[in-house]
Amino acid sequence: DVVMTQSPLSLPVTLGQPASISCRSSQSLVHSDGNTYLNWFQQRPGQSPRRLIYKVSNRDSGVPDRFSGSGSGTDFTLKISRVEAEDVGVYYCMQTTRWTYTFGQGTKLEIK
Amino acid sequence: EVQLVESGGVLVQPGGSLRLSCVASGFTFSNYWMSWVRQAPGKGLEWVASIKHDGSEKSYVDSVKGRFTISRDNPKNSMYLQMNSLGADDTAVYYCAREARSVDYWGQGTLVTVSS
Repeated sequence: DVVMTQSPLSLPVTLGQPASISCRSSQSLVHSDGNTYLNWFQQRPGQSPRRLIYKVSNRDSGVPDRFSGSGSGTDFTLKISRVEAEDVGVYYCMQTTRWTYTFGQGTKLEIK
Repeated sequence: EVQLVESGGVLVQPGGSLRLSCVASGFTFSNYWMSWVRQAPGKGLEWVASIKHDGSEKSYVDSVKGRFTISRDNPKNSMYLQMNSLGADDTAVYYCAREARSVDYWGQGTLVTVSS
């Protein structure tokens, strides 16, 4: 199975400051169709997960443009340009390139 | 608006069985793969199983193979997860999710608790 490793696991951030989460995969996430199926999800306290980013860098409808995704191959990053209070929660990367689909451990973002 | 509503989560004894249901609306259900994802209390997300739009292909995480069965009824816009030989490690919120080479919509989840 593809192992997804996130860092850091805890991310205290001052309001208005940037934040960055790394996600590394144990194998390349490039699919045979040429796409890279790396996704980012946000889970606010008490809520279901919500997808933010798909195929590395495509932002979902309604997701603020302060969220961005980048990377390739086995190394990916989610960046928040200026953290707001509503961004508190746990962030997960997930690969859907290869069965078994796998998630990272999650990164808990909190406000300092 | 896409909606996914799970049901069926209850307290069940170790070794017991349970069937979860997910009813979908707001999209053409028969055009999409569907998935179950679970989250143990205070833990991260774990993909459990997926089923192709016509039910002809299914995939499972190793820890549930042989115990869980995913199925669907397209005319009823419904997906199911039959869970047998349940153990404490299966205690989790189970989410129904729509899959389109990703997991784009999630339900609110249903809690399964395995305990004596």
